[in-house]
Amino acid sequence: GQNIDQPTEMTATEGAIVQINCTYQTSGFNGLFWYQQHAGEAPTFLSYNVLDGLEEKGRFSSFLSRSKGYSYLLLKELQMKDSASYLCAVIDSNYQLIWGAGTKLIIKP
Amino acid sequence: GAVVSQHPSRVICKSGTSVKIECRSLDFQATTMFWYRQFPKQSLMLMATSNEGSKATYEQGVEKDKFLINHASLTLSTLTVTSAHPEDSSFYICSARDPGQGDYEQYFGPGTRLTVT
Repeated sequence: GQNIDQPTEMTATEGAIVQINCTYQTSGFNGLFWYQQHAGEAPTFLSYNVLDGLEEKGRFSSFLSRSKGYSYLLLKELQMKDSASYLCAVIDSNYQLIWGAGTKLIIKP
Repeated sequence: GAVVSQHPSRVICKSGTSVKIECRSLDFQATTMFWYRQFPKQSLMLMATSNEGSKATYEQGVEKDKFLINHASLTLSTLTVTSAHPEDSSFYICSARDPGQGDYEQYFGPGTRLTVT
């Protein structure tokens, strides 16, 4: 079966750095997305990785290792507004988007 | 970036009635649109994939006669919840893919919160 694993919840301090991991086992791979979702709102796009390595975009970076079936989202200089759920999603060989359950990130002052 | 709108944003209806939710791609043509449902504190659950001009493909466990999907044009897909019941109360989100972007990113609408009383 297809499976995407992320931690259910993480807590971090304002101004700090946090890394949210995602491991996947899917039938094929055509890319991995990270989305941010605030409570009661729709997801918003953060990043897309299809090749191995680190993609940096401002305070957010995303890393991919296809051989390990592993990705992480790195958030720097955390702000209170970063409190949200972070969803990892993989495009499989049928170009279907397989969603993880999401990681709820709690930022404390 | 690509923009997707949804209407209404919130709807309250009585049990047994039907509700229609519209999803529009505003600045691109979406050959494929997706409908998701999300219950509180749970992740997105894909209900169906709709392709313009053809029948929607429903995920296992989703009743196609209850959740009617119409993708009649390249910019509009509708989801009709028929004979709604309180257990259908949820957050319904649509997304669309922009083939012109050459990737598989899904652009999400703002969601519709349905409450069935």
